[in-house]
Amino acid sequence: DAGVIQSPRHEVTEMGQEVTLRCKPISGHDYLFWYRQTMMRGLELLIYFNNNVPIDDSGMPEDRFSAKMPNASFSTLKIQPSEPRDSAVYFCASSQTGRGFYSPLHFGNGTRLTVT
Amino acid sequence: QKEVEQNSGPLSVPEGAIASLNCTYSDRVSQSFFWYRQYSGKSPELIMSIYSNGDKEDGRFTAQLNKASQYVSLLIRDSQPSDSATYLCAVKNSGAGSYQLTFGKGTKLSVIP
Repeated sequence: DAGVIQSPRHEVTEMGQEVTLRCKPISGHDYLFWYRQTMMRGLELLIYFNNNVPIDDSGMPEDRFSAKMPNASFSTLKIQPSEPRDSAVYFCASSQTGRGFYSPLHFGNGTRLTVT
Repeated sequence: QKEVEQNSGPLSVPEGAIASLNCTYSDRVSQSFFWYRQYSGKSPELIMSIYSNGDKEDGRFTAQLNKASQYVSLLIRDSQPSDSATYLCAVKNSGAGSYQLTFGKGTKLSVIP
């Protein structure tokens, strides 16, 4: 299995521009998570989906952030307009239910976003 | 707000020594606990999980859980330079059907050859 695939690996953009991050979860996984990691705040959960349906988006910082999962194999996280404080590494992770307590997250390689 | 606290370090230990990493959590009814390792510039990877009070051993790694004290630890025996990384403690949130993990900010471990 190729694992969770994220693109792009690096994104540099100017303040005010729209940014779209993409994720392909592991085939068969029914949960998809978007995390953001910074030195100051660590790994923060932004939103997660179950069977393509958003379950909890309480971690989304503000209306500039939106996420979609149009099908089981693709999700996007969009920031519009972007701001310098959005600079972080964004991770997508997936997991599979049906395993009792043990639901390990499988992380993608992340997208390093820099907003200037 | 459910919190997971870790000492940010850095924690420096000589090669061959035991590294001890600690974590406390605020949600008393949490049931599942995980340790992830993250190398610089890489994504987190799961190394241990623990659900019951006591110790769980896997090779050089031992996870310890004390639910009464809301405390989780990770011991790394015979530490190797390749163990140098940031170790993230994660707690699975309580609630039926909840699949959210709350992560601590991580402890940076440096193993000195």
